[in-house]
Amino acid sequence: GENVEQHPSTLSVQEGDSAVIKCTYSDSASNYFPWYKQELGKRPQLIIDIRSNVGEKKDQRIAVTLNKTAKHFSLHITETQPEDSAVYFCGQTMELSFGAGTTVTVRA
Amino acid sequence: NAGVTQTPKFQVLKTGQSMTLQCAQDMNHNSMYWYRQDPGMGLRLIYYSASEGTTDKGEVPNGYNVSRLNKREFSLRLESAAPSQTSVYFCASSEREGSYGYTFGSGTRLTVV
Repeated sequence: GENVEQHPSTLSVQEGDSAVIKCTYSDSASNYFPWYKQELGKRPQLIIDIRSNVGEKKDQRIAVTLNKTAKHFSLHITETQPEDSAVYFCGQTMELSFGAGTTVTVRA
Repeated sequence: NAGVTQTPKFQVLKTGQSMTLQCAQDMNHNSMYWYRQDPGMGLRLIYYSASEGTTDKGEVPNGYNVSRLNKREFSLRLESAAPSQTSVYFCASSEREGSYGYTFGSGTRLTVV
């Protein structure tokens, strides 16, 4: 079953705009929150992760924020580019499960 | 450094045939996993091995068996393939189970006719 809910399922943004994807989890013992990117026909790849002892982590144009009280974490992509078009998954490592995925399309 | 290597990349089986998907990692990871990915269903865990010598069922284990041959290798076997097992299969590994990121293999696209 899905132990982490991911929204939205699809997201279309104009190039240069920001994209935000949110995941809500149920297990309060969760302490590690990864995000994966999967391009069409390729394998998922880890792009950023965060541990429960921090609230935000950035890596160039991507960032992840964590709200442990509300049990949700979000992926933020700024200044989107065509190469950001992909499916993004959040991970729920306590249950070894993933969100259902968000298909991001960046319009030129 | 190859990471996680899966074979074969593509396979077509007839209903009732058997086959084994191979997976090997060269990162000295302790934990290995098998997932299947279907359109609109995301990634679903079939079996995993938290460490050498242990295996456990995931969300969708029926119709599959696994073997953790050694620390590097984790194979997935379909004893009697069914059309419902048509999917893309990904092997993954991580340093340990739980709080570590995965490295995925390139996937096996399996069609059962």
